[in-house]
Amino acid sequence: GQQVMQIPQYQHVQEGEDFTTYCNSSTTLSNIQWYKQRPGGHPVFLIQLVKSGEVKKQKRLTFQFGEAKKNSSLHITATQTTDVGTYFCAGIASNTGKLIFGQGTTLQVKP
Amino acid sequence: SAVISQKPSRDICQRGTSLTIQCQVDSQVTMMFWYRQQPGQSLTLIATANQGSEATYESGFVIDKFPISRPNLTFSTLTVSNMSPEDSSIYLCSVDITGSEVGYTFGSGTRLTVV
Repeated sequence: GQQVMQIPQYQHVQEGEDFTTYCNSSTTLSNIQWYKQRPGGHPVFLIQLVKSGEVKKQKRLTFQFGEAKKNSSLHITATQTTDVGTYFCAGIASNTGKLIFGQGTTLQVKP
Repeated sequence: SAVISQKPSRDICQRGTSLTIQCQVDSQVTMMFWYRQQPGQSLTLIATANQGSEATYESGFVIDKFPISRPNLTFSTLTVSNMSPEDSSIYLCSVDITGSEVGYTFGSGTRLTVV
């Protein structure tokens, strides 16, 4: 079945450092979505990428969708303590239409 | 985006009993999704609930264990039956507003502990 792999599992950074999480799918995706889950909270939608090679920015966050529509990345510039949480990528497979989540990357930011 | 009210927010249950989780959406949606998130893990899709038809279950999940109701376009329930400690998890409902670009909206989750 479809798998969405995400690395790293954990990342500890000093406040002000950059952070990147990577996502790879075993199948071509019709789109990819990114979610943030704060400790004790539920996943909250951040962004959706649809086009091959698409790049979107939200303030300090940059999201990319690979040319083959099988991989994606989230980069945070100059992390802040408010960035703490688990970031999930989630892909919708072209053949099933189901949203499948990656394992998530938990970000800790030391002030 | 939609607003989802999910309850209960948490419960502690005895093994062998059942718990029904409810999700109410503030708008009509075609499909509702039920996910499970075990402690420190990712979200795993349990089933997709369509109004007027039986839910579609993912591999590893069966209707006898996780019966789902979808009586109308704004409401769904998931029952966790004959619970064991392995069912301790967070259960989340979610919806996708077709045609929007706001992704899936999740309920606040039900934190279930089976003792």
